[in-house]
Amino acid sequence: QLQLQESGPGLVKPSETLSLTCTVSGGSITSSGYHWDWIRQPPGKGLEWIGGISYKGDTYYNPSLKSRVTISADTSKNQVSLTLRSVTAADTAVYYCARDYDSSSLFDPWGQGTLVTVSS
Amino acid sequence: QSALTQPRSVSGSPGQSVTISCTGTSSDIGGYNYVSWYQQHPGKAPKVMIYDVNKRPSGVPDRFSGSKSAYTASLTISGLQAEDGADYYCCSYAGSFWVFGGGTKLTVL
Repeated sequence: QLQLQESGPGLVKPSETLSLTCTVSGGSITSSGYHWDWIRQPPGKGLEWIGGISYKGDTYYNPSLKSRVTISADTSKNQVSLTLRSVTAADTAVYYCARDYDSSSLFDPWGQGTLVTVSS
Repeated sequence: QSALTQPRSVSGSPGQSVTISCTGTSSDIGGYNYVSWYQQHPGKAPKVMIYDVNKRPSGVPDRFSGSKSAYTASLTISGLQAEDGADYYCCSYAGSFWVFGGGTKLTVL
């Protein structure tokens, strides 16, 4: 059974860099046909797709965040990472990782999410 | 890019049917048959209920159905049950990226 687990600091200072890791178990991030995505949800608000990386290593970003985001993969550790630079309070959110399928709108499964607060 | 437009809230009594709409543009919903719907209970991760407009993952009751017409996608829940009360989000492909709706709170009366 595929499982995703987000990890990283729960508190980041304004203007600094947010770094999170999604550890995938029960399957390989290089399995053909899958993409690995980051999605966030500010407290009390809706979902926002941040970006993703394909099994081949191609990356895709939300145009509104593209200038501040980098998504990468460490195949030796079966992990996908998110880096978000120059954070502000508006970046405070629960951050989820999820798998999506090539040529499909299916995001499944999702990790449990991790809350990141941006505050001094 | 703007979020897809959903009603803030809908409600229905047990046993009734409700429909949640999700309106986009020709660049997202109108351009692709890649629309999915997610159910989210408080404090939990979203769960996929419908994908690719009208496909239901295994384990999702057939009370949940999806459709699309032009720039609007819809999620219909028939035979409402108390546990259906949750937030629902639509999601569409928009050509190299994904966009979500603002979410709809479903209250089962």
